[in-house]
Amino acid sequence: GAVVSQHPSRVICKSGTSVKIECRSLDFQATTMFWYRQFPKQSLMLMATSNEGSKATYEQGVEKDKFLINHASLTLSTLTVTSAHPEDSSFYICSARSEVGNQPQHFGDGTRLSIL
Amino acid sequence: AQSVTQLDSHVSVSEGTPVLLRCNYSSSYSPSLFWYVQHPNKGLQLLLKYTSAATLVKGINGFEAEFKKSETSFHLTKPSAHMSDAAEYFCVVSPGGGYNKLIFGAGTRLAVHP
Repeated sequence: GAVVSQHPSRVICKSGTSVKIECRSLDFQATTMFWYRQFPKQSLMLMATSNEGSKATYEQGVEKDKFLINHASLTLSTLTVTSAHPEDSSFYICSARSEVGNQPQHFGDGTRLSIL
Repeated sequence: AQSVTQLDSHVSVSEGTPVLLRCNYSSSYSPSLFWYVQHPNKGLQLLLKYTSAATLVKGINGFEAEFKKSETSFHLTKPSAHMSDAAEYFCVVSPGGGYNKLIFGAGTRLAVHP
């Protein structure tokens, strides 16, 4: 089945640090990748949608300068949390899908980000 | 407006007994509906999906769900719970079908007791 790998699984860093999270589709070409944020005991909130080679589309209320998304290839998207602060601590989950065969979204295992 | 309501935030069952996780949706268009499962500190795994074919949808691990348009419901069931079913379950709607725009319910935490 379709596999999405997300790395790292956990990050702990100091306030002010920028953190990069990678999302890779291992066995398919992802025409679209998605980034979600999940607060404790809550549902997933879509942050942005990215298509390979074009700028990401951010949801309302998500700061694009804070959460930089790059989708440079059909198998890799990155989310960079710039100058992270404690309020950015959260569980970040990516997903990827292919238009070929009208595939559903396949999710990574998430990244637990803790800012001290 | 499109929305998903999961009627129970927590459900607790004994191993071997039936599971019922309730979901109601609101959509202006013909929706696609999904159930995803999330184990602790993990991503989401697709259990099953409804995309306007058969109204009774069978998924993985013995789960199934029935699409009832008249009741705008898409409840998830399983005849016999297993300990490994303990997880968070999300009902998800995609307005107008497709897989790009997903709207998630708040989630139901299923506990399974021996």
